[in-house]
Amino acid sequence: NAGVTQTPKFQVLKTGQSMTLQCAQDMNHEYMSWYRQDPGMGLRLIHYSVGAGITDQGEVPNGYNVSRSTTEDFPLRLLSAAPSQTSVYFCASSWRDSGANVLTFGAGSRLTVL
Amino acid sequence: AQSVTQPDIHITVSEGASLELRCNYSYGATPYLFWYVQSPGQGLQLLLKYFSGDTLVQGIKGFEAEFKRSQSSFNLRKPSVHWSDAAEYFCAVAGTDSWGKLQFGAGTQVVVTP
Repeated sequence: NAGVTQTPKFQVLKTGQSMTLQCAQDMNHEYMSWYRQDPGMGLRLIHYSVGAGITDQGEVPNGYNVSRSTTEDFPLRLLSAAPSQTSVYFCASSWRDSGANVLTFGAGSRLTVL
Repeated sequence: AQSVTQPDIHITVSEGASLELRCNYSYGATPYLFWYVQSPGQGLQLLLKYFSGDTLVQGIKGFEAEFKRSQSSFNLRKPSVHWSDAAEYFCAVAGTDSWGKLQFGAGTQVVVTP
């Protein structure tokens, strides 16, 4: 099994451009989430989803949109990129039962906004 | 609101020496507690977790952690470090109803010297 797959691994954008970070999991996990990692700040939750068609905001949702049309996919959209969105982004997934908080992470997507 | 503090930003340890990483949390009830490790350029890997029961938890790679409710701590230990343990370590907390939504500490960078 591939686990959690993120694409692209690296991306450079100019301010104002839009893009989508893709995330796919093949473990039939109900829960999926996006985190951003910045130096000295650990990982912060952007958006999460408890199942297909259901999404909600995390700690730092501004500037990002998500949707969950299938169980497998959870793309993160930047509609108008800003330098403050330069970061490493991680997608994660988990089961719905008592182990729901045990996250499986993707390898990350490094985004630079100029 | 829950929070996690990792007091040590950076730790240098000699190969073969013992290692202890500190983690303090703030949460109204007994939370779920986790330690993740991130090797350079990689995603996060779960080292161990505490949900309930025995307060001394064994994990992968020879790591263990002890939950101390009175001190709101969940410190990670390893008796003898290997060069491959050089990485960044993150402590995380989640409420029992916070499915898939973890609050991470800022991380501790571990450097292993010969």
